[in-house]
Amino acid sequence: EIVLTQSPATLSLSPGERATLSCRASQSVSSSLAWYQQKPGQAPRLLIYDASNRATGIPARFSGSGSGTDFTLTISSLEPEDFAVYYCQQRSNWPPEWTFGQGTKVEIK
Amino acid sequence: QVQLVESGGAVVQPGRTLRLSCAASGFTFSNYGMHWVRQAPGKGLEWVAVISFDGSDKYYADSVKGRFTISRDNSKNTLYLQMNSLRAEDTAVYYCAKGVVPATIGYCFDYWGQGTLVTVSS
Repeated sequence: EIVLTQSPATLSLSPGERATLSCRASQSVSSSLAWYQQKPGQAPRLLIYDASNRATGIPARFSGSGSGTDFTLTISSLEPEDFAVYYCQQRSNWPPEWTFGQGTKVEIK
Repeated sequence: QVQLVESGGAVVQPGRTLRLSCAASGFTFSNYGMHWVRQAPGKGLEWVAVISFDGSDKYYADSVKGRFTISRDNSKNTLYLQMNSLRAEDTAVYYCAKGVVPATIGYCFDYWGQGTLVTVSS
């Protein structure tokens, strides 16, 4: 089983600041890694797939990078609506098993 | 636009059964793998099960294997999750989610329903 470890658990920042979130895999997942945003009481929303591709309608301030075992989600300048929990996610090849990181909460400082 | 609407959540006693449904619209349902993902209160996301576009392949998380069954009816654009032998630890919001790439089980999910709450308690 591939384990995804996100850091930090909580990120306290002010609007306009840059957010850098990390996701580390216990073994290589190539570039098959996605990022989701979840706000309280809402379903998750796909932000990034294939490590660096923005999903439809996602603002350019969100970017993803990395491959292998180390991945980063960057929010270049936080907007008020960006304060939320962010999850990374991957799928192992065999047996197929989908796993999520434990999440990083981006909160207003 | 893509819509996924879950239903069937309820309060049930341990050991009982429940069936969840997910009605899909706005896309060609029969072309895409579909998933169930759950979230216990105040916790993170946990993948539960996937079914391929034609229903021929199904995979489950170890935590539900042998107790839950995923199925689909492409004529009704509906996904199901039959949940047997429910336990307290199955208490969660259950989301259905659509795979991104057609005709594969893929690896990530581009649309999610709003979720339905299952509470297992005596």
